[in-house]
Amino acid sequence: QKEVEQDPGPLSVPEGAIVSLNCTYSNSAFQYFMWYRQYSRKGPELLMYTYSSGNKEDGRFTAQVDKSSKYISLFIRDSQPSDSATYLCAISNTGNQFYFGTGTSLTVIP
Amino acid sequence: GAVVSQHPSWVICKSGTSVKIECRSLDFQATTMFWYRQFPKQSLMLMATSNEGSKATYEQGVEKDKFLINHASLTLSTLTVTSAHPEDSSFYICSALEDGDTGELFFGEGSRLTVL
Repeated sequence: QKEVEQDPGPLSVPEGAIVSLNCTYSNSAFQYFMWYRQYSRKGPELLMYTYSSGNKEDGRFTAQVDKSSKYISLFIRDSQPSDSATYLCAISNTGNQFYFGTGTSLTVIP
Repeated sequence: GAVVSQHPSWVICKSGTSVKIECRSLDFQATTMFWYRQFPKQSLMLMATSNEGSKATYEQGVEKDKFLINHASLTLSTLTVTSAHPEDSSFYICSALEDGDTGELFFGEGSRLTVL
């Protein structure tokens, strides 16, 4: 079983829609949860970083961690064409080893 | 957010030559850096973990003599692809783990290597 699973999509939504991106993970010991955005031919950009359970909001982005279900989510409100990218979830236990999802490709249609 | 500079962003070389890629954390210290390889439309593939002042830890299947990693300071790690061949052509990305209890992981912009 992989440490983290992510639906690769692709996901296509109209501009202004709410986007929900999700990952599941296997080991309850993981405590650090991250979401990255990667544009084509660029390095991943850290969007959200959360420790343990709960919600974290930053502008149009909200990250949720449900440790009881081993489920993490990223919500994008009022999605824009510039949000079109691949979104990677990442988890870590000790902070020295990171496991990445395969990425979800998102297209926001104007 | 913190900045990780990766250089060069694109390099073309002849088969048999060696190419060095640099990864610098510009505004934070990083004892640990990681090197990845990414194929088109695929996720990151961890190649090795680089720790300042010690030997890198390579993932299974990655040739350490082929991909030389040096992490000589808290802000710089280098990846040298030795005797490059066309099959080494890929997108190489580094990341730097910010020192501290809740250090965040930041990525470089990536380096596209094309071996002719």
